Amino acid sequence: DSGVTQTPKHLITATGQRVTLRCSPRSGDLSVYWYQQSLDQGLQFLIQYYNGEERAKGNILERFSAQQFPDLHSELNLSSLELGDSALYFCASSVATGTGNYGYTFGSGTRLTVV
Amino acid sequence: QQPVQSPQAVILREGEDAVINCSSSKALYSVHWYRQKHGEAPVFLMILLKGGEQKGHEKISASFNEKKQQSSLYLTASQLSYSGTYFCGTERSNDYKLSFGAGTTVTVRA
Repeated sequence: DSGVTQTPKHLITATGQRVTLRCSPRSGDLSVYWYQQSLDQGLQFLIQYYNGEERAKGNILERFSAQQFPDLHSELNLSSLELGDSALYFCASSVATGTGNYGYTFGSGTRLTVV
Repeated sequence: QQPVQSPQAVILREGEDAVINCSSSKALYSVHWYRQKHGEAPVFLMILLKGGEQKGHEKISASFNEKKQQSSLYLTASQLSYSGTYFCGTERSNDYKLSFGAGTTVTVRA
């Protein structure tokens, strides 16, 4: 157990639907990062939050949104789902604002399948 | 911008050595290395911050050539447990974004 908790582990939904992925960071970590991993794209950075504030955005679609709550857990909302959104979504956490001297601790991921 | 990793895959016998390279076209602030086993989350191995810095994790070490924007990961006397996909992640100064390479799949055979 890495200390980063992601739920659910698996999710199967239909095209056009909306889902919410949840992440609880490791105790003491203020930064949360979301990544999408698909076979042909590798690990793609989506978005980063630090202590409730958005700090960096990557290749996140407009249909996707995220937030970090006062208790530091984060949610990634995916709407109007398409077949191409099927992927493994990882959450990671770290102590620092940026990457700095600290590595990321990844959760076990949520496997999303859109049918 | 994603860093470029090479080779894409490598097959080793136990005890052999290997080198994985990671390069970027942009000036880098830091380089991370992670290992991901099939069906699992990536696990942090090490981070390198300064040019020429070298670090180690068991018999796995890495170097970072800041002038060339390149990092290399060295697998020495490989063990079966070293099998997995190795990713480098690179950060440019002050942009808080860690971009990962496509990964290098390492298979160590007995």
